[in-house]
Amino acid sequence: QKEVEQNSGPLSVPEGAIASLNCTYSDRGSQSFFWYRQYSGKSPELIMFIYSNGDKEDGRFTAQLNKASQYVSLLIRDSQPSDSATYLCAVLSGTYKYIFGTGTRLKVLA
Amino acid sequence: NAGVMQNPRHLVRRRGQEARLRCSPMKGHSHVYWYRQLPEEGLKFMVYLQKENIIDESGMPKERFSAEFPKEGPSILRIQQVVRGDSAAYFCASSPPSVTEAFFGQGTRLTVV
Repeated sequence: QKEVEQNSGPLSVPEGAIASLNCTYSDRGSQSFFWYRQYSGKSPELIMFIYSNGDKEDGRFTAQLNKASQYVSLLIRDSQPSDSATYLCAVLSGTYKYIFGTGTRLKVLA
Repeated sequence: NAGVMQNPRHLVRRRGQEARLRCSPMKGHSHVYWYRQLPEEGLKFMVYLQKENIIDESGMPKERFSAEFPKEGPSILRIQQVVRGDSAAYFCASSPPSVTEAFFGQGTRLTVV
């Protein structure tokens, strides 16, 4: 079982819709979770981090964490073509090592 | 405040040559991490360094790879006698002490021909 799993996609959504990206992780002791956006050929860019169960909102982005189910998600409201990218879920292992999923490719169709 | 700076952005080496990748962390950041991203794969942890110390190199291949973060100057990831399988994007990230959010540089794309 992979430590951090994501559906590779592509996930296609129409412009203006809500994009829902999901991630599961295997280490029950994980405490910190991150979403990065990576455009093709570019570096990962931190979008959100979440440490507590529940929802955390920042602009059009909402991160959701359910530690009991070992599940973290990212919702993107009012999706724009510029949101088309690969979204990487990362879980902090210990105090400094990020374990990344392979990413979900999102396509927002104009 | 400049971000994490990596150079070169692109590096081409012939098999058997050495590759040196440099990373200057963000101002005020004393922790540096190196990750490798192979095509169509996620980022894999390689090494974690603080000034003059290697804290965790569990993700580094045992041979040919080394890393340092000297008291002065950038962090260096060194790959000796490169092989085609070393072709990848190498990303450096940095963070301040006691902060878990890491910020990534633009990466160095190494191509071994």
